[in-house]
Amino acid sequence: QVQLVQSGAEVKKPGASVKVSCKASGYTFTSYGISWVRQAPGQGLEWMGWISAYNGNTNYAQKLQGRVTMTTDTSTSTAYMELRSLRSDDTAVYYCARHRWSGSYNDFDYWGQGTLVTVSS
Amino acid sequence: QSVLTQPPSASGTPGQRVTISCSGSSSNIGSNTVNWYQQLPGTAPKLLIYSNNQRPSGVPDRFSGSKSGTSASLAISGLQSEDEADYYCAAWDDSLNGGVFGGGTKLTVL
Repeated sequence: QVQLVQSGAEVKKPGASVKVSCKASGYTFTSYGISWVRQAPGQGLEWMGWISAYNGNTNYAQKLQGRVTMTTDTSTSTAYMELRSLRSDDTAVYYCARHRWSGSYNDFDYWGQGTLVTVSS
Repeated sequence: QSVLTQPPSASGTPGQRVTISCSGSSSNIGSNTVNWYQQLPGTAPKLLIYSNNQRPSGVPDRFSGSKSGTSASLAISGLQSEDEADYYCAAWDDSLNGGVFGGGTKLTVL
């Protein structure tokens, strides 16, 4: 069965960086992309960006350009999301999701359990 | 401010039919497929409807989706207490070249 297992909660100071991992299993990792979505406390979902696990191509949300980097390690079927220059409004639960993008569909069909990142001095 | 517009709340009694709307523009819903996600309290979102009106395996046929022009809607018939959750619409936006979500609708089963 498809599973995405994320790394544990993090507490960071303003200005620091955080790197969240997402280990995939149960499918051919390089056949899909991974999108990252975050959710601030009590708020809605925000798409952060996408990476192709096939060739490493990326596409980041405009508001995060320059602060976010998404990578993959195909040898371990793991995706990573690094966010730099953290601010208090980056406090959120960060989700990875398998991104299906083909023909008539473009969706996130499996999700990780989420990683809480708290930014506080 | 979310790119897609949903009502913040909806409610119904068990057995009722409720609908949740999602309004967008020509660059997102108007030119791409719409997906719906269900988020139960304290859990990760789950794909509920994809490609406007398709249900993934395991999703009851009480859930249905539709799209017309730059709007979409999610209908839930035979409402059950376990349907109490947040529901999000989503689509790709060609102008932003990225994914966009609605602000979410909190469904309460009275």
